[in-house]
Amino acid sequence: GENVEQHPSTLSVQEGDSAVIKCTYSDSASNYFPWYKQELGKRPQLIIDIRSNVGEKKDQRIAVTLNKTAKHFSLHITETQPEDSAVYFCAASLRAAGNKLTFGGGTRVLVKP
Amino acid sequence: DGGITQSPKYLFRKEGQNVTLSCEQNLNHDAMYWYRQDPGQGLRLIYYSQIVNDFQKGDIAEGYSVSREKKESFPLTVTSAQKNPTAFYLCASTPAHGQPQHFGDGTRLSIL
Repeated sequence: GENVEQHPSTLSVQEGDSAVIKCTYSDSASNYFPWYKQELGKRPQLIIDIRSNVGEKKDQRIAVTLNKTAKHFSLHITETQPEDSAVYFCAASLRAAGNKLTFGGGTRVLVKP
Repeated sequence: DGGITQSPKYLFRKEGQNVTLSCEQNLNHDAMYWYRQDPGQGLRLIYYSQIVNDFQKGDIAEGYSVSREKKESFPLTVTSAQKNPTAFYLCASTPAHGQPQHFGDGTRLSIL
């Protein structure tokens, strides 16, 4: 089955700096890659996603890049703010496998004011 | 207001007891999923259902059971065979075209 690895597990940045989180996946047939933000005790919330026919997607301060050849994708947060502090999860999904998501282990991001 | 409703928010299980977690959605989504999240960990798939009266095991199905008698409902039973049930349980659903998955607010299960 699919395996997703996420790095780093914790990330501390100064407010205004950029944060980058990287994920690798094992199944080259995976075709959908979402990123979720989870605050303490809350449900994960989708912040951005990308499909395998696209190399990059941007939404205001958040961007995701996908390298299908290398089987890795990354989340980029620019101009970080204290409210960006949370745990971020990447995931990979294969439509042919019921669209079930395989999650990475998460990255705890702390933005220091 | 459309969404995914999980209940209860907190649940306590006694030794040897089965407990059932509720998940209801009014989004007309075809597929529904159950995940388990342990403290400081990612989400792991327990069961999923793509259509009424059909469901498949995920990565950690042992000690759990589900049913999908209605499109709107996908209850999860944590049986006494699940020896370490303490976790945060999240239900999700997706439309027919597959993505994205949206989550309910979760149920936190603990052992008494």
